[in-house]
Amino acid sequence: GDSVTQTEGQVALSEEDFLTIHCNYSASGYPALFWYVQYPGEGPQFLFRASRDKEKGSSRGFEATYDKGTTSFHLRKASVQESDSAVYYCALGGRRGSALGRLHFGAGTQLIVIP
Amino acid sequence: NAGVIQTPRHKVTGKGQEATLWCEPISGHSAVFWYRQTIVQGLEFLTYFRNQAPIDDSGMPKERFSAQMPNQSHSTLKIQSTQPQDSAVYLCASSLETGANTGQLYFGEGSKLTVL
Repeated sequence: GDSVTQTEGQVALSEEDFLTIHCNYSASGYPALFWYVQYPGEGPQFLFRASRDKEKGSSRGFEATYDKGTTSFHLRKASVQESDSAVYYCALGGRRGSALGRLHFGAGTQLIVIP
Repeated sequence: NAGVIQTPRHKVTGKGQEATLWCEPISGHSAVFWYRQTIVQGLEFLTYFRNQAPIDDSGMPKERFSAQMPNQSHSTLKIQSTQPQDSAVYLCASSLETGANTGQLYFGEGSKLTVL
């Protein structure tokens, strides 16, 4: 079945460091891919999506490029801030004709930014 | 616009009791989702309504769990005979589900269920 793998369970960085969180997916065709962010005590928030090969999604300084060849959608940010500390989830969209809006979430990556 | 509203925020039940969780989706959103979040299992899909009709309940445990959406302004998740392993944060989300908005879920803050 469809699945999403996030390699890092936790990432600790200093402010202004470069961030990469790896996300790989397993699915046929061209599923939509998403990044969500969750702050303590809140539900996950949509960051951005991409639905075609080589499409780049971006928001709040974060970006990721859909790569069909490597089945990846890695999250990157050039310079992290303490306020970016949160849990980041990569997600795979559902299938046309069925549960289109249902998402398959990865395990999440906790980002800790040290001031 | 108010976001997705979930009540109660916290619920403590004894083993074997019933728990009912409520969700008010964003007005105008056609899809409502329930997810469960635990440290061990992460975010697990439970069930999904579109225009109040059940679309996919493949994530719901076959026994004791049920969900309904009697009208467009609220959905309920009911757990009968709660067990300690049901302890989790139950998240409700709604979505417009139109074109580019599909998959853009708006989550509530969740209902934290603790079963003693």
